Amino acid sequence: GQNIDQPTEMTATEGAIVQINCTYQTSGFNGLFWYQQHAGEAPTFLSYNVLDGLEEKGRFSSFLSRSKGYSYLLLKELQMKDSASYLCAPYNTDKLIFGTGTRLQVFP
Amino acid sequence: DVKVTQSSRYLVKRTGEKVFLECVQDMDHENMFWYRQDPGLGLRLIYFSYDVKMKEKGDIPEGYSVSREKKERFSLILESASTNQTSMYLCASSSQTEETQYFGPGTRLLVL
Repeated sequence: GQNIDQPTEMTATEGAIVQINCTYQTSGFNGLFWYQQHAGEAPTFLSYNVLDGLEEKGRFSSFLSRSKGYSYLLLKELQMKDSASYLCAPYNTDKLIFGTGTRLQVFP
Repeated sequence: DVKVTQSSRYLVKRTGEKVFLECVQDMDHENMFWYRQDPGLGLRLIYFSYDVKMKEKGDIPEGYSVSREKKERFSLILESASTNQTSMYLCASSSQTEETQYFGPGTRLLVL
């Protein structure tokens, strides 16, 4: 079976750091995507991890452990515009498998 | 920049109507996808296509069909719309050489 687990909601304060965790169990695995989705808008690509380890891209970093079926998205220096849903999506051969997403609210 | 466009942002249809949702991408991508997104369920794959005239069923194809007559265009068809097909529909595309999928703005469909 296929299962992706991430928290439903998180809150944080502007300027803070937040880590959004994702655990997954899939029948095949090639890598893991993170997408950001603002309310009423399309998902936009944030990161793609294939190998174990941390990949940093500006204020956002993504970590993957293939052996543990675990990933996290780290957001630093939070801004109000980071309020959005964050979707964890393992990639299996040719398809993305989406979790239900984590809705992050950033407060002043 | 990759651009994926969808024919309508909002659509209201009646039960039993035939509904066409159009998606066009301008990056010469081989792969195109149709998802629906519902609260608490995330994005679920309806159909996808790796080439013109080619289609594959996703996880929830029942009640839907697709058409890919041209490389840049992928249409989702609801043969006889039902109220449980009220949803946000998202189209995406990707190339054969890069796994990243790029999404269109979505069509919010309401079936009355």
